[in-house]
Amino acid sequence: QVHLVESGGGLVKPGGSLRLSCAASGFTFSDFFMSWIRQAPGKGPEFLSYINGRSNDIYYADSVKGRFTISRDNAKNSLYLQMSSLRVDDTAIFYCARLGNGWSPGDSWGQGTLVTVSS
Amino acid sequence: QTVVTQEPSLTVSPGGTVTLTCASSTGAVTGDYHPSWFQQKPGQSPRSLIYNARFLHSWTPARFSGSLLGGKAALTLSAVQSDDEADYYCLLFYSGAWVFGGGTRLTVL
Repeated sequence: QVHLVESGGGLVKPGGSLRLSCAASGFTFSDFFMSWIRQAPGKGPEFLSYINGRSNDIYYADSVKGRFTISRDNAKNSLYLQMSSLRVDDTAIFYCARLGNGWSPGDSWGQGTLVTVSS
Repeated sequence: QTVVTQEPSLTVSPGGTVTLTCASSTGAVTGDYHPSWFQQKPGQSPRSLIYNARFLHSWTPARFSGSLLGGKAALTLSAVQSDDEADYYCLLFYSGAWVFGGGTRLTVL
């Protein structure tokens, strides 16, 4: 079955950088759009970014545009999120999620990785 | 800035029926917004229940249904069980962007 495992979260100072990874298994990774979604403590999810299988269709929410970069390595079945210029309000659980076929966004989610931005 | 609005909280009795709605600041929600619905329980990742307005995943109990109702997306839970107590989020598509609603906390009491 589909399995997504995020890693790379941790504590970082404001202005710092962090790279998140998501290891995918159980499906043909290159066939699917993938996304990053975050959820701040006590808040609802926020859709941040998606990338298609060929990495030529990429979207960023305004809140992260210019600071975050999504990428993927289909040979390694891995999705990445490079985050820079981090702010305190970027503190959240970051989830990797698959965009399923037939307009089914988030049909599978990872367990999330916590990013804390604090001095 | 696009805003997706849901009822902040709803309460339903066990065995009852409840409808959660999802409205868009841009106007009526149609099939072009490809509404999805997610359930999230404490300490867990969100789980997709409904996609493309009315389609259930294989794991979604049949007591959940999705529709478009009065210019909004709607999620109806029938024969509600205590296990349905959770936060529910809708997600709408806006020409390349996906936007979550603020969520509805459903209490079964």
